[in-house]
Amino acid sequence: DGGITQSPKYLFRKEGQNVTLSCEQNLNHDAMYWYRQDPGQGLRLIYYSQIVNDFQKGDIAEGYSVSREKKESFPLTVTSAQKNPTAFYLCASSPGLHQPQHFGDGTRLSIL
Amino acid sequence: DQQVKQNSPSLSVQEGRISILNCDYTNSMFDYFLWYKKYPAEGPTFLISISSIKDKNEDGRFTVFLNKSAKHLSLHIVPSQPGDSAVYFCAASARGAQKLVFGQGTRLTINP
Repeated sequence: DGGITQSPKYLFRKEGQNVTLSCEQNLNHDAMYWYRQDPGQGLRLIYYSQIVNDFQKGDIAEGYSVSREKKESFPLTVTSAQKNPTAFYLCASSPGLHQPQHFGDGTRLSIL
Repeated sequence: DQQVKQNSPSLSVQEGRISILNCDYTNSMFDYFLWYKKYPAEGPTFLISISSIKDKNEDGRFTVFLNKSAKHLSLHIVPSQPGDSAVYFCAASARGAQKLVFGQGTRLTINP
């Protein structure tokens, strides 16, 4: 079955550590996205990539980094510079303009 | 600056009746609108979309209405079923842009 896989589902980080969230898709979609959801709020865009080896900052990119070396993969690194990293992180992909984005089931990141 | 707003954090509807979820936007460049449904600890699932060249789109029990002059869209669910209980997000994208802007979400509860 085609879809988006995010791993792990739950992740714990110590203060001062970087952590990388995985996102893999086998939908052959060109575009991929990372969102953050906080309680009672909508999804806010962190980074997006429209094509391999290219990505753009979203609305809340500070303290995060991404890479897009393969079409199928778009990992997100939460760096120690991100002051409030505890959140639910969602990865999505879409085939192109004016096409719905398809989401993974998310990774919940918590700080120990 | 909240470009997409869902002013009702929650809505309660009796099973079998109509559920109406509302969404307002401020950016006149938005030309593609979507509704997503989200269960706890899962990623959003695409429900239905509408282009700005239309004012209505229907898919089974779900109908989306777009009023461009009022910058308002709504999602109608008829008849409402217990499985429709979830958080609903509206989202929009601007001309030529792939990234989506999400509202804060409305929690719909269907009562038996």
